[in-house]
Amino acid sequence: AQSVTQLGSHVSVSEGALVLLRCNYSSSVPPYLFWYVQYPNQGLQLLLKYLSGSTLVKGINGFEAEFKKSETSFHLTKPSAHMSAAAENFCAVNDPGNPDKLIFGTGTRLQVFP
Amino acid sequence: GAGVSQSPSNKVTEKGKDVELRCDPISGHTALYWYRQSLGQGLEFLIYFQGNSAPDKSGLPSDRFSAERTGGSVSTLTIQRTQQEDSAVYLCASSPRPANTEAFFGQGTRLTVV
Repeated sequence: AQSVTQLGSHVSVSEGALVLLRCNYSSSVPPYLFWYVQYPNQGLQLLLKYLSGSTLVKGINGFEAEFKKSETSFHLTKPSAHMSAAAENFCAVNDPGNPDKLIFGTGTRLQVFP
Repeated sequence: GAGVSQSPSNKVTEKGKDVELRCDPISGHTALYWYRQSLGQGLEFLIYFQGNSAPDKSGLPSDRFSAERTGGSVSTLTIQRTQQEDSAVYLCASSPRPANTEAFFGQGTRLTVV
């Protein structure tokens, strides 16, 4: 069965530093890949997604992610962290056996310090 | 409304009571998901509805949990004989077909079983 692993439940960076949030998936068939963000006391919203084509995708708020098939990874990056980026971030993939079913990782809480 | 609406936003119930959580998806969205978000556990898939197809119930944790979707729109998640471990935030999401489109999430219902 498809699974998603987010390495590191908490990531802390200084304002202006590079943000790197890791995501790996398990299936041998490349799935659709998503990153969602949850700001405090809010619902989840889509940051970016990879379906096909260019392996580097850009999303909202300066985030981007790169799909690496050989590493079964879809890590999320942002060149320069802002205080406003503090949130819970979830990687999600669809289940190759049931493409409409989204499977989420356990989340990574991003903290940004001044 | 413009987004996914969930009610109530907060629910406190006594152990052993039944509860019903409601989700109003975005109009025209054929797919509807229920997830459970527990502290440190990420998003746990519960159930998925797609149009008139039989729902994917593979994520329901026990037979105390059930869900229905009436008229392809509003959905109700029912938890019978609630237990303290049922305490969590229950999130509903909807999306249009096909599977590679964004899922839109509601704000969730925070359930506390005392």
